[in-house]
Amino acid sequence: QLQLQESGPGLVKPPETLSLTCTVSGDSVKNTRYYWGWIRQPPGKGLEWIGNIYYSGFTHYSPSLKSRVTISIDTSTNQFSLKLNSVAAADTAVYYCARRSALVPDMYDYWGLGTLVTVTS
Amino acid sequence: QSALTQPASVSGSPGQSITISCTKTSSDIGDFNYVSWYQQHPGKAPKLMIYDVSNRPSGVSNRFSGSKSANTASLTISGLQAEDEADYYCSSYASGTTFFGAGTKVTVL
Repeated sequence: QLQLQESGPGLVKPPETLSLTCTVSGDSVKNTRYYWGWIRQPPGKGLEWIGNIYYSGFTHYSPSLKSRVTISIDTSTNQFSLKLNSVAAADTAVYYCARRSALVPDMYDYWGLGTLVTVTS
Repeated sequence: QSALTQPASVSGSPGQSITISCTKTSSDIGDFNYVSWYQQHPGKAPKLMIYDVSNRPSGVSNRFSGSKSANTASLTISGLQAEDEADYYCSSYASGTTFFGAGTKVTVL
């Protein structure tokens, strides 16, 4: 059974860098049928797409976050990671990692449980 | 301003059918060919309910159905049950970018 698990600091100070890792079990991040992505949700608000990465390292980022986001992948550890720099209070959110079909691009079929990251000084 | 507009809330009584709309308001979404729907209970991760406008993943109840007409997609929940009370998000994909609507809170009266 596929599982995704987010990990990383729950508190980040502005304007430092938020760093999260998603560990995948039950599938390989080298699986050519899937992209691996990050989505966030501020407390009490809706979902916001951050970006995706393919096993090759090819990435797509949200235009509104592109200047601050880097998503990377490590096929040796079966993990992918998110870095968001110059964080502010508005970046406080639950961050989810998820798997997206490469052939059906609106299909995020497996999600992690999410991890709350609070940006505060 | 979201590229996808959903009503803030929809309610219905047990056994009834309800429909949640999702209207494309931005040309960034292009032809609006890819539409999916996610259900989210409080404190839980979103769950995929519909993809490619009208397809149900394995394990999702057939009480959930999706459709689209022009620039508006719809999610219909038939035979409403207490467990359907949740937030529902529509999503669309175009040119590498994923868009989410602001979400609709479904209340079972």
